[in-house]
Amino acid sequence: GAVVSQHPSWVICKSGTSVKIECRSLDFQATTMFWYRQFPKQSLMLMATSNEGSKATYEQGVEKDKFLINHASLTLSTLTVTSAHPEDSSFYICSARAQGPMNTEAFFGQGTRLTVV
Amino acid sequence: EDQVTQSPEALRLQEGESSSLNCSYTVSGLRGLFWYRQDPGKGPEFLFTLYSAGEEKEKERLKATLTKKESFLHITAPKPEDSATYLCAYAGGTSYGKLTFGQGTILTVHP
Repeated sequence: GAVVSQHPSWVICKSGTSVKIECRSLDFQATTMFWYRQFPKQSLMLMATSNEGSKATYEQGVEKDKFLINHASLTLSTLTVTSAHPEDSSFYICSARAQGPMNTEAFFGQGTRLTVV
Repeated sequence: EDQVTQSPEALRLQEGESSSLNCSYTVSGLRGLFWYRQDPGKGPEFLFTLYSAGEEKEKERLKATLTKKESFLHITAPKPEDSATYLCAYAGGTSYGKLTFGQGTILTVHP
């Protein structure tokens, strides 16, 4: 299967600082990348969809000014959590879809555990 | 409203005891029904995609099937290493690749 790499695997930051998480597709070009958040013992909740070269589409209830998404190339998307607060502590996971209008399969990164103290 | 519901929430099996996990769905314009495995602290690992009713796919001890209303993940003679959370998700409408997940089934296989 296709490989999606996410970095860092975990990060601890102070309240009020910003954190950037990278998501890379290593062996395919991803026209679309997705960012999910997962709280303990809960399922994945989609935060936003990013398409290469265009603005991200955010799900209802997700603050776009707080969670900045950049998809500058076909292999890299970044999620920046700005002015992080303890309630932003969560497991963030990206996924990437390969090129092709009918391609529905998406592959996931290993996730980033964010802890805001 | 499109949705998927997984059952049971948790399943405990003895090694070698076969069973099935259920994913019921109501999705208009289903473009794919997905099964993933997730280990604690890891991202989901892709298992199967099913596109149409009647389709079946197998991988080692796992077999996924799809009807018009539900999908089953059959686990034959499970081993302790099969212990994980199994997630089903759907892609529907025109947003290809956008997956909506069920709540998952936590599978524990005891030796």
